Amino acid sequence: SQTIHQWPATLVQPVGSPLSLECTVEGTSNPNLYWYRQAAGRGLQLLFYSVGIGQISSEVPQNLSASRPQDRQFILSSKKLLLSDSGFYLCAWSGGVAFFGQGTRLTVV
Amino acid sequence: GQNIDQPTEMTATEGAIVQINCTYQTSGFNGLFWYQQHAGEAPTFLSYNVLDGLEEKGRFSSFLSRSKGYSYLLLKELQMKDSASYLCAGKYGFNKFYFGSGTKLNVKP
Repeated sequence: SQTIHQWPATLVQPVGSPLSLECTVEGTSNPNLYWYRQAAGRGLQLLFYSVGIGQISSEVPQNLSASRPQDRQFILSSKKLLLSDSGFYLCAWSGGVAFFGQGTRLTVV
Repeated sequence: GQNIDQPTEMTATEGAIVQINCTYQTSGFNGLFWYQQHAGEAPTFLSYNVLDGLEEKGRFSSFLSRSKGYSYLLLKELQMKDSASYLCAGKYGFNKFYFGSGTKLNVKP
């Protein structure tokens, strides 16, 4: 069966520091991969979408970037975090239905 | 994105039936998905509709009308553990999922 791993679960980072969140999927090949952000009490905002290695589609211009160095690995990065980057970050994979990782709660202080 | 609209909050009584509505933009639409999200956790998949009609899965049912851009999630025999946010998501284009802001359901004894 397919599983998705996302880490860390929580993260507190100072303003201006870099960010790297990693997500890996097991049990499937060539999945579509996604990064979402959820502000407190809000819905999920699609940040990035990938259909294959090195193929990244950005939905919203922002302080973040994504990379897909391997088929089942998706990374969310920032060179310098802003206070507004705080939120709940969710990685998902899809072969038809989207399934989510456990999420990373990021607090920028 | 894609104007996914759903009520912000609803309250219902344990044992009752509740219907959560969702409207969406029909252009480029490929399917409607429902997720449950408990506070502080990642969303979990409940149900999906691609064609018009009703899909039943135990106490949960989901309905779709593609011509009207409308869906609903029906929860029967409500239990206290059903208190959560319910997210409506539309799939567009090749495989992009856009979410509504979520409906927070409060189940009272």
